[in-house]
Amino acid sequence: GQSLEQPSEVTAVEGAIVQINCTYQTSGFYGLSWYQQHDGGAPTFLSYNALDGLEETGRFSSFLSRSDSYGYLLLQELQMKDSASYFCAVSDSDSWGKLQFGAGTQVVVTP
Amino acid sequence: DTGVSQNPRHKITKRGQNVTFRCDPISEHNRLYWYRQTLGQGPEFLTYFQNEAQLEKSRLLSDRFSAERPKGSFSTLEIQRTEQGDSAMYLCASSLASTDYGYTFGSGTRLTVV
Repeated sequence: GQSLEQPSEVTAVEGAIVQINCTYQTSGFYGLSWYQQHDGGAPTFLSYNALDGLEETGRFSSFLSRSDSYGYLLLQELQMKDSASYFCAVSDSDSWGKLQFGAGTQVVVTP
Repeated sequence: DTGVSQNPRHKITKRGQNVTFRCDPISEHNRLYWYRQTLGQGPEFLTYFQNEAQLEKSRLLSDRFSAERPKGSFSTLEIQRTEQGDSAMYLCASSLASTDYGYTFGSGTRLTVV
């Protein structure tokens, strides 16, 4: 089966940098995705890694280490609008395209 | 295209009643997924379709749940004989079959069983 672990909550001030870690266990890992969800809203796709290394998209970056079964999402220059839940999700080769989500990390940005 | 559309946004029903939700995916997306989300948790996979074929259904899903995608476009999710434990947000997402990322989610249907 699959399992994902990520911290439940992170608090930081505006302008700071936050790193959300995600460790996973899956039988045939294919890729790691990150989604953002504001309260009452739909999850929205942020980033994806299938290969080791860093992917940068504006203020957000995502990293993957396949050998360590580990990834992280880096949020830079935090803004109040970044207060949301962030989910990591894995896809595996046994059921390609179907995502398994973690429980989410609540990011709270304070002034 | 206006994205993934779900109806209704909210549904309150009495225990034991049947409910049906509808999802209209992005038109060029051939995969459609149903997920369930409860407070403080990530989306939990229920089932998915590629075109009109239902390719996988969660082992956790009881026989009271059924989903269809008759013409490979919109999909419906029906819950029969609802129970209080069915109260949750039901999310629909769509994607291209050629990718394993980049789902587009709808805003969901919030079900409350009283």
